[in-house]
Amino acid sequence: DTGVSQDPRHKITKRGQNVTFRCDPISEHNRLYWYRQTLGQGPEFLTYFQNEAQLEKSRLLSDRFSAERPKGSFSTLEIQRTEQGDSAMYLCASSFSREGLGFRQFFGPGTRLTVL
Amino acid sequence: GDSVTQMEGPVTLSEEAFLTINCTYTATGYPSLFWYVQYPGEGLQLLLKATKADDKGSNKGFEATYRKETTSFHLEKGSVQVSDSAVYFCALSEGYSTLTFGKGTMLLVSP
Repeated sequence: DTGVSQDPRHKITKRGQNVTFRCDPISEHNRLYWYRQTLGQGPEFLTYFQNEAQLEKSRLLSDRFSAERPKGSFSTLEIQRTEQGDSAMYLCASSFSREGLGFRQFFGPGTRLTVL
Repeated sequence: GDSVTQMEGPVTLSEEAFLTINCTYTATGYPSLFWYVQYPGEGLQLLLKATKADDKGSNKGFEATYRKETTSFHLEKGSVQVSDSAVYFCALSEGYSTLTFGKGTMLLVSP
């Protein structure tokens, strides 16, 4: 299967702990996106990368959230000092960067975070 | 800022009924419009898209037409099946970058 993969699929943590999620995009895609989806809501954009460069990060929810894509392949999303309000599904997507190559974003299955 | 408004669900229909899910948007520019679907236990999948006014996106019997004058992109299907039961998300994108989603509409189709 060459789709977008995310790890872990589920994470339960205690308030105040740090968590890190990994996303492996479709290998040919140079763009990678992170979204958060809470119950009953649509996905909410957090940040995205084109190759190694983080092109938009102002929508990260607080300074406790950070993301990296060090070699332009996989990406990690870290949440420090988790709070109960961080409980959500965290989605990763990837795409090409030009319409001519197909802008379509392909989504991974998500990582469900529960903060106790 | 950009926003998408969808009709609230759940929408409950019998098999072979006609489906409409309303979607309207607000955007500063000239966005591309999308419908994504999330089947139970699966990730989001692109259902159809339209990139300019009067374009009609279609896939799997679903259709939506980009109406700039009414800022709408309503999803329709002439005859739904039980297998169409899912959550449907309307979304927009400006400049081929990030997606702004609506809240989603759950569709439940009974035999």
